[in-house]
Amino acid sequence: AQKITQTQPGMFVQEKEAVTLDCTYDTSDPSYGLFWYKQPSSGEMIFLIYQGSYDQQNATEGRYSLNFQKARKSANLVISASQLGDSAMYFCAMREGRGDYKLSFGAGTTVTVRA
Amino acid sequence: DSGVTQTPKHLITATGQRVTLRCSPRSGDLSVYWYQQSLDQGLQFLIQYYNGEERAKGNILERFSAQQFPDLHSELNLSSLELGDSALYFCASSVGFAEQFFGPGTRLTVL
Repeated sequence: AQKITQTQPGMFVQEKEAVTLDCTYDTSDPSYGLFWYKQPSSGEMIFLIYQGSYDQQNATEGRYSLNFQKARKSANLVISASQLGDSAMYFCAMREGRGDYKLSFGAGTTVTVRA
Repeated sequence: DSGVTQTPKHLITATGQRVTLRCSPRSGDLSVYWYQQSLDQGLQFLIQYYNGEERAKGNILERFSAQQFPDLHSELNLSSLELGDSALYFCASSVGFAEQFFGPGTRLTVL
């Protein structure tokens, strides 16, 4: 079964607007971590934000925030005030608390920011 | 710059050949992970080392092997290469269970 599901293959957003990228996950482990990474066309993977399963507050990092809804098993990424440089592929990933810390990735969402 | 380095950036080789990809983790990071990114399989975990010892194995083919050396750098060896091994290979490192920082990747093309 897919551990991470990203249902939006591609999205367009106007510059300066906010965009929400969906991510749902599947785990029976009570201890897990959720991550978002950005992959621009140059190919590198850039860490954006992390949310632990026991964290009470939603994670925020600058213009990035993670809307964590534990009961729904969703971890949506919100990018506020989109910039042209935000155009990239975005991956949601999960680490389950089994001691090996490997990441399981979703298929990714391509975001294109229009001027 | 994540602090993780990978060499080479690009590698073009022929089927049946063997190649070695190298990774240096961020200073202080004991864990090294290898991932493969291909168009058909997406991003897949291959293998993890922690302080020189293998910690976890994912979808790594028997033709592939890895090791982590005492100075914590890691190498991924790919042998008997096939066309389908063409992919972007990432190394990542972390401190414990914290976020993983990825290197720039090695793009392998098998002709």
